[in-house]
Amino acid sequence: GQQVMQIPQYQHVQEGEDFTTYCNSSTTLSNIQWYKQRPGGHPVFLIQLVKSGEVKKQKRLTFQFGEAKKNSSLHITATQTTDVGTYFCAGNSNSGYALNFGKGTSLLVTP
Amino acid sequence: DGGITQSPKYLFRKEGQNVTLSCEQNLNHDAMYWYRQDPGQGLRLIYYSQIVNDFQKGDIAEGYSVSREKKESFPLTVTSAQKNPTAFYLCASTPIFGRRTDTQYFGPGTRLTVL
Repeated sequence: GQQVMQIPQYQHVQEGEDFTTYCNSSTTLSNIQWYKQRPGGHPVFLIQLVKSGEVKKQKRLTFQFGEAKKNSSLHITATQTTDVGTYFCAGNSNSGYALNFGKGTSLLVTP
Repeated sequence: DGGITQSPKYLFRKEGQNVTLSCEQNLNHDAMYWYRQDPGQGLRLIYYSQIVNDFQKGDIAEGYSVSREKKESFPLTVTSAQKNPTAFYLCASTPIFGRRTDTQYFGPGTRLTVL
């Protein structure tokens, strides 16, 4: 079945440094979604990418969807303490209906 | 306000007892889901329901049961057959099952601890 792998599992950065998390699928995805979960909270939808090679930005966050629609990345420029949390990617395959979540990348930002 | 509610936020049970976690939504969504979250494991799908009176097993359904008698409600029962029930349980919903561009709306979660 489809698997969504996410790396790294943990990342610890100093405030102001950049951060990137990567998501890779064993099969071609129809679309990919990104969620953020603050410590003690629940996942909250950030963005969705549908088109091959798509790039979307939300302030300091840049999301990319690979040309082959098998990988995606989230890049945060100049991290802030408010970026702390776990970032999940979740993909739908072209044949299935279940949303498969990666295991997430936990980001810790120290001032 | 529209949303998903889960209660209680924290739940403690003795080993061998069944426990039911509630999930209610007023978003008028057809599909509902239950996930289990353990540290470093991400979100694992327990059960899902495409529509009222329907439900299907997810990836880790053993030891769990659900019902969907009303559109708004999708309670999860953790039975004594679940070998390691201590976890964070998240309920979610989407407007229509199978529409891939729908995003998941999550409830605040219930943290279950079995003593």
